[in-house]
Amino acid sequence: EPEVTQTPSHQVTQMGQEVILRCVPISNHLYFYWYRQILGQKVEFLVSFYNNEISEKSEIFDDQFSVERPDGSNFTLKIRSTKLEDSAMYFCASRPNPLGPGSNQPQHFGDGTRLSIL
Amino acid sequence: ELKVEQNPLFLSMQEGKNYTIYCNYSTTSDRLYWYRQDPGKSLESLFVLLSNGAVKQEGRLMASLDTKARLSTLHITAAVHDLSATYFCAVPQGGSEKLVFGKGTKLTVNP
Repeated sequence: EPEVTQTPSHQVTQMGQEVILRCVPISNHLYFYWYRQILGQKVEFLVSFYNNEISEKSEIFDDQFSVERPDGSNFTLKIRSTKLEDSAMYFCASRPNPLGPGSNQPQHFGDGTRLSIL
Repeated sequence: ELKVEQNPLFLSMQEGKNYTIYCNYSTTSDRLYWYRQDPGKSLESLFVLLSNGAVKQEGRLMASLDTKARLSTLHITAAVHDLSATYFCAVPQGGSEKLVFGKGTKLTVNP
């Protein structure tokens, strides 16, 4: 079964450094997402991306965050200057076109990247 | 703003017993999702509930949706140890693609 893949599985970074988290969504999916989960807490929406632009973002997704689809397969989340509170598990997800036959499909999640800020 | 509440947050049960997890949400939605998460792992889709009165079953788990009451239930029948995990319900906010998750129910099934 097709999967969403994320790399790296664990990233350790010094506070203030930039970090890029990478995702390869399922190939025929058109909608992409980033969520984060602070240890032991609930999953929080960060951003959704459709047709090469951000379609929605949360208040967490401030100017320090950006997303990009640099080629036909990768979807990246960049944090420009990391803070201690950015430590969390970051999940990428994807979904087929919600307007078409895939509209009843759930969002499919990758295994996540555990980001640790020191 | 949409709020999603799950209860209980922690559930310890014995193998063979039945129990129900509840998910309430605060604003109208015509769909709801249930996910399972094992420790340190991803979110695995369990059920997609698309309409009022929807009921879906997979093995020992059965999920239902009452959109009028803004309530979904996840019923566990004759629990087995393999069901130990954290279960999340999630609701799309206001017709958008943003999923709002409950805090999760950590289920532990003891032999």
